[in-house]
Amino acid sequence: KQEVTQIPAALSVPEGENLVLNCSFTDSAIYNLQWFRQDPGKGLTSLLLIQSSQREQTSGRLNASLDKSSGRSTLYIAASQPGDSATYLCAVRPYCYFGAGTRLTVKP
Amino acid sequence: DTAVSQTPKYLVTQMGNDKSIKCEQNLGHDTMYWYKQDSKKFLKIMFSYNNKELIINETVPNRFSPKSPDKAHLNLHINSLELGDSAVYFCASSQDWSEQYFGPGTRLTVT
Repeated sequence: KQEVTQIPAALSVPEGENLVLNCSFTDSAIYNLQWFRQDPGKGLTSLLLIQSSQREQTSGRLNASLDKSSGRSTLYIAASQPGDSATYLCAVRPYCYFGAGTRLTVKP
Repeated sequence: DTAVSQTPKYLVTQMGNDKSIKCEQNLGHDTMYWYKQDSKKFLKIMFSYNNKELIINETVPNRFSPKSPDKAHLNLHINSLELGDSAVYFCASSQDWSEQYFGPGTRLTVT
């Protein structure tokens, strides 16, 4: 059965730092992997979708990489800002399994 | 315009009652999902429909029954509500296995 793990569970950084969030999965037979952010009391906002055939995707200050063979994805956030504070979740398809998330706090 | 909408946003009810949550998407997607987010914020897939056909049916009590009247709607009916059903329920949609878009969630509280 597919298992998705996100490390660390929580992360606190000063504003301006570059940071990396990790997502690992046990079954490499995935269609794609999607990164989301969730603000407290809100729904999920899609950040990036990376297909199984792709190595990385970029959107603004965000860069997601995927290594299917090792069952890992990373989300790189450049020049972090207080507005980036949220919980970041990854999900693998077709199973639609989510990791438990990384709670990010960016301090001004 | 809201892409994926859910009603109601909040639902407070007593144990043993039956309730429904509605979901509608106006994105023209062919696949819709129901997720449950528990008190520890863990998000778990419950059901998925593709073109009104059930394609994912995780281990969920029989008290939960999804209904898809058409591609744009996926409703969730819950019978005999229990305290443990208290959670936030999210609806989502996608075109096949592409990017998922989530609704704002329905916070269900069972007393």
